[in-house]
Amino acid sequence: GQNIDQPTEMTATEGAIVQINCTYQTSGFNGLFWYQQHAGEAPTFLSYNVLDGLEEKGRFSSFLSRSKGYSYLLLKELQMKDSASYLCAVKTDSWGKLQFGAGTQVVVTP
Amino acid sequence: EPEVTQTPSHQVTQMGQEVILRCVPISNHLYFYWYRQILGQKVEFLVSFYNNEISEKSEIFDDQFSVERPDGSNFTLKIRSTKLEDSAMYFCASSSDGRAGANVLTFGAGSRLTVL
Repeated sequence: GQNIDQPTEMTATEGAIVQINCTYQTSGFNGLFWYQQHAGEAPTFLSYNVLDGLEEKGRFSSFLSRSKGYSYLLLKELQMKDSASYLCAVKTDSWGKLQFGAGTQVVVTP
Repeated sequence: EPEVTQTPSHQVTQMGQEVILRCVPISNHLYFYWYRQILGQKVEFLVSFYNNEISEKSEIFDDQFSVERPDGSNFTLKIRSTKLEDSAMYFCASSSDGRAGANVLTFGAGSRLTVL
């Protein structure tokens, strides 16, 4: 079966760094995506990894290790607006189908 | 920035009624998807659509569901006879190239369906 695991909730202080881990066991792998979802809104694309290593994009970085079935999303210099759910999603085949994890709710406190 | 538009934003219906959810994907995108998210649960894939036919569907997408691209701009999801468990947020998404690696899906704001 397909399994994508991420922590349910994380809390961090404004200005701090938070790392959200995602482990996956899927029948196929064609890339891993991170999406941000504010309550009641659509997921919005943050990052994509298909090769091992770190991808940096401003305050957000994402890392992938295919051999370990592991990724993380690093959020630096946290702002209040970063309070949201962060979704790890694996593209399991050559089409656009994504398998999503349950999401990690990040709460940023003043 | 181009966006995916969905209507209605919220629909309340009686069990057994037919519902049509509408989506206008980004104009130069060729691949279209429906996902759903039951309250408090994860986003689940329903169906992908390319070149006027379904390319893949999940176990959730049974005979009660259908999709259509009736013209050059709209993409619809029909639920023939709604059940209580169909209550969810339905997201439409589109992408420019389904097969490319970094195939980024752009999601619409969602249509919340409540079945009573």
